[in-house]
Amino acid sequence: EAQVTQNPRYLITVTGKKLTVTCSQNMNHEYMSWYRQDPGLGLRQIYYSMNVEVTDKGDVPEGYKVSRKEKRNFPLILESPSPNQTSLYFCASSPGAGGNEQYFGPGTRLTVT
Amino acid sequence: RKEVEQDPGPFNVPEGATVAFNCTYSNSASQSFFWYRQDCRKEPKLLMSVYSSGNEDGRFTAQLNRASQYISLLIRDSKLSDSATYLCVPKKAAGNKLTFGGGTRVLVKP
Repeated sequence: EAQVTQNPRYLITVTGKKLTVTCSQNMNHEYMSWYRQDPGLGLRQIYYSMNVEVTDKGDVPEGYKVSRKEKRNFPLILESPSPNQTSLYFCASSPGAGGNEQYFGPGTRLTVT
Repeated sequence: RKEVEQDPGPFNVPEGATVAFNCTYSNSASQSFFWYRQDCRKEPKLLMSVYSSGNEDGRFTAQLNRASQYISLLIRDSKLSDSATYLCVPKKAAGNKLTFGGGTRVLVKP
């Protein structure tokens, strides 16, 4: 089954404790992206990657890191999480380098206390 | 002005009725768009693409008004299962950030 998977789905952590949210797609898509969704602010792009070893900042990259060492994986790293990073995070992939027609993962609900 | 703006709603719609809502955009060069639907606390899912003047898929019709810089989504014969938030996003060339609208919430009631 073609899909985008994210892990963990739910995470409660404390300020400053490094964490990684994994994202994997099995569709051989070139483009992958991370978003956060907050009430009243909508879906905002954090980082995106057009291909292996190619990443770029979205609208809200501060406090996040990403890497794209393999085509299928695009982990999101929070080196020192803070409470303002409490949010619902979505990973997405797309067959084209432009990132259009995206397929989203099920989401990761992160709470930082 | 925001790149993409949507009326957050909610649009309360009787089952079987027609509902339409718009997404306005600021970049006059935008030529194509996508509509996604998002159920509560779920991931967005692609609903339809909108190229040139518009697109129709079953009960859903999307139209692009370049002069006034908005795209519309019309849902005919609304079903309870159409209750969701509808997000629009302009198509971008490779290498550009993607900006989603804030979404329009639609509630279809019996």
